[in-house]
Amino acid sequence: KAGVTQTPRYLIKTRGQQVTLSCSPISGHRSVSWYQQTPGQGLQFLFEYFSETQRNKGNFPGRFSGRQFSNSRSEMNVSTLELGDSALYLCASSLVGRVNEKLFFGSGTQLSVL
Amino acid sequence: DQQVKQNSPSLSVQEGRISILNCDYTNSMFDYFLWYKKYPAEGPTFLISISSIKDKNEDGRFTVFLNKSAKHLSLHIVPSQPGDSAVYFCAASPMPSNTGKLIFGQGTTLQVKP
Repeated sequence: KAGVTQTPRYLIKTRGQQVTLSCSPISGHRSVSWYQQTPGQGLQFLFEYFSETQRNKGNFPGRFSGRQFSNSRSEMNVSTLELGDSALYLCASSLVGRVNEKLFFGSGTQLSVL
Repeated sequence: DQQVKQNSPSLSVQEGRISILNCDYTNSMFDYFLWYKKYPAEGPTFLISISSIKDKNEDGRFTVFLNKSAKHLSLHIVPSQPGDSAVYFCAASPMPSNTGKLIFGQGTTLQVKP
């Protein structure tokens, strides 16, 4: 069974640009969550999608958005990039998103904003 | 506002000894707690969890203790092995717990010396 796949693995952008990150969950998983990891801050929750609907959202500005497709694949978009957006972006999937389900994480997309 | 805190950024122990990783939380409404382990260049992987109705959960070499009155949980690894060297994140699930949102601590880097 293939794991969670995130593309691209690395990305370098400049301030003001926008970026789209992609996540393919484990087959059969319908819940996809996104997290931002920065040094000293741990993982911070961005949003969660279930059945193409955003079910929960973290405390991030509106420049951060996402969507989920009918095959459960998800994308997140960051517009008007800022230097502080440099981080590892992690996607996680689970069957339906219940707390007692294990989250399966991808290896992440390392975004550098110059 | 860091609702889940891991106050020790790093911990070094000798192989075969016990590793104790600590985590504090501020929100008494958290009802489910988890530990994840992360190796470099990989996504976090689930390690062990505990519900707020319990005070202890064991899985092989790993035991998690929950002290609700102190809003404190700890992860014990006995005996520690060099392969346990990784970053350990504790996480909590806020109510309601039927969504994929977790609140993570900043992480503790564990080094197990041979």
